Amino acid sequence: SQQGEEDPQALSIQEGENATMNCSYKTSINNLQWYRQNSGRGLVHLILIRSNEREKHSGRLRVTLDTSKKSSSLLITASRAADTASYFCATDIPNSGGGADGLTFGKGTHLIIQP
Amino acid sequence: DAGVIQSPRHEVTEMGQEVTLRCKPISGHNSLFWYRQTMMRGLELLIYFNNNVPIDDSGMPEDRFSAKMPNASFSTLKIQPSEPRDSAVYFCASSFLPGLVYFNEQFFGPGTRLTVL
Repeated sequence: SQQGEEDPQALSIQEGENATMNCSYKTSINNLQWYRQNSGRGLVHLILIRSNEREKHSGRLRVTLDTSKKSSSLLITASRAADTASYFCATDIPNSGGGADGLTFGKGTHLIIQP
Repeated sequence: DAGVIQSPRHEVTEMGQEVTLRCKPISGHNSLFWYRQTMMRGLELLIYFNNNVPIDDSGMPEDRFSAKMPNASFSTLKIQPSEPRDSAVYFCASSFLPGLVYFNEQFFGPGTRLTVL
């Protein structure tokens, strides 16, 4: 199965509410990244959190990382209709040679903000 | 900067035909990634280059797929012969990696939607 799996698969909330998405992974990571994808577009990087960090903020985004539980959450506060998109977590996994093998993406959470 | 540029944006072809997808990464980036996205399998890394050298092609599904990066500003992904199951959106992304120890943020192109009939 996927290294990173988002939960829930779909989320629908009212504009102004907060949206929380979770990501679980299986093995140790160098870092974890969150991306957004609007329908028909490429992915856009939102935030990167390193394995030695526990929380990061960027505007209305807040990301937490719990390496003991191998999980991360993305919180979008005061949601707007323009936040409607799919959100993906991507894990950077170290390999046995001391490098990394590339980002592994989950299947995403589809977020709908109802106006 | 114009961002990552991909062409064509849409491609419709018949089974058995050769398909070539093109990508121009962001100037100054030293790594380039090819991904495939489908509803069933999500986003899959096919191959990535660092300093124009292929580093990991373990995601390339079959010998029908090949990728090249002749210089720092251009890459191609070729499928020959194409099959209906190759229908997907193919993304190119670029990044600057100071080494190959960890991966920074990646900048994605708009994608090429491939339909093989």
